[in-house]
Amino acid sequence: EPEVTQTPSHQVTQMGQEVILRCVPISNHLYFYWYRQILGQKVEFLVSFYNNEISEKSEIFDDQFSVERPDGSNFTLKIRSTKLEDSAMYFCASKGTANTEKLFFGSGTQLSVL
Amino acid sequence: GESVGLHLPTLSVQEGDNSIINCAYSNSASDYFIWYKQESGKGPQFIIDIRSNMDKRQGQRVTVLLNKTVKHLSLQIAATQPGDSAVYFCAENIRFGPNYGGSQGNLIFGKGTKLSVKP
Repeated sequence: EPEVTQTPSHQVTQMGQEVILRCVPISNHLYFYWYRQILGQKVEFLVSFYNNEISEKSEIFDDQFSVERPDGSNFTLKIRSTKLEDSAMYFCASKGTANTEKLFFGSGTQLSVL
Repeated sequence: GESVGLHLPTLSVQEGDNSIINCAYSNSASDYFIWYKQESGKGPQFIIDIRSNMDKRQGQRVTVLLNKTVKHLSLQIAATQPGDSAVYFCAENIRFGPNYGGSQGNLIFGKGTKLSVKP
């Protein structure tokens, strides 16, 4: 079964450093998402992306965050200057068409900001 | 406001029993609901979904019930197995609201319930 893949599985960084989290969505999917989950809390929406632009973003997704689809397969989340409170599990998700709300999630990247 | 913290509601059941996991959703305009299962160290995995024009939907060993009057969603797992042990999240989406882009939308997740199955 096709799946969303994320790399790295764990990322440790120093506060103030830039990080890029990488995702390869399912190959024929058109809609892409980033969610995050702080330890013990619920999964929170960050941003959705379609047709090479952001469709929707949450209050969490401030100017420190950006997304990019640099080629036909990768979808990245960049945090420009990480803060301690950015420590979380970051999930990438994708879906195929507009007529479904079923998202397929990757296994996540655990980001630890020290 | 809602409380957040490190402790999830926990449901502990005996292997072979039926499990019922409940979820209260927040927005009366939500018209699509979905249950995800999250095992330790993994991403959410789709279980079953339901649209607001239905009040029940069945899958393999799972049933989702929707009560729009009280904004309540439940997931029933028949003959619970040790492999069902995980955190279960409900999520809602407004697909056809006035601010909905027609093709985007996003899922709003609930807090999750931890299911523990005793052998």
